[in-house]
Amino acid sequence: DGGITQSPKYLFRKEGQNVTLSCEQNLNHDAMYWYRQDPGQGLRLIYYSQIVNDFQKGDIAEGYSVSREKKESFPLTVTSAQKNPTAFYLCASSSRVGEQYFGPGTRLTVT
Amino acid sequence: AQSVTQLGSHVSVSEGALVLLRCNYSSSVPPYLFWYVQYPNQGLQLLLKYTSAATLVKGINGFEAEFKKSETSFHLTKPSAHMSDAAEYFCAVTLNSGNTPLVFGKGTRLSVIA
Repeated sequence: DGGITQSPKYLFRKEGQNVTLSCEQNLNHDAMYWYRQDPGQGLRLIYYSQIVNDFQKGDIAEGYSVSREKKESFPLTVTSAQKNPTAFYLCASSSRVGEQYFGPGTRLTVT
Repeated sequence: AQSVTQLGSHVSVSEGALVLLRCNYSSSVPPYLFWYVQYPNQGLQLLLKYTSAATLVKGINGFEAEFKKSETSFHLTKPSAHMSDAAEYFCAVTLNSGNTPLVFGKGTRLSVIA
């Protein structure tokens, strides 16, 4: 089955620790995206990558970092510099047609 | 820059009643528009998309949306609500046909009352 996988589903970390969220796709899509979702705020773009070894900041990139070494993978690191990291994180990918396909999400809780 | 406004953060309808979720966009050029649905603790699923072909777009699960340029709107409708339609719905816009980020509205939570 083609799709996007995110792991883990739930993640708990202590304040001050960096944490990496995994996102893998087997749809052969060139572009991948990371969004953050908070209640009542919709989805906000963190980073996106249109091609391997290249990525751009989104609207709320501060405190996050990404890499795109392989077409299939786009991991997101939430660093200790991110002031409010507790949120639901969604990864997506897209083809040239335009619509984005989303993974199941990772719920990160930092205490 | 483009933007999306979804009127009503929460809409409640009776089972069997018409569903109407509102979306207005702001864009300087003809946009590409999308509606997504999200069930609790899950990712988003594409319901339908407008890409400058027919203005009335039919999607999955009986939903449809009409692109009205004069009103800059792309409202989502379904003639008869089902309990399984209870979810959060997001409208999104982009100016390019592919591989560019979407700009999302804040979402509308739909409740269906038996």
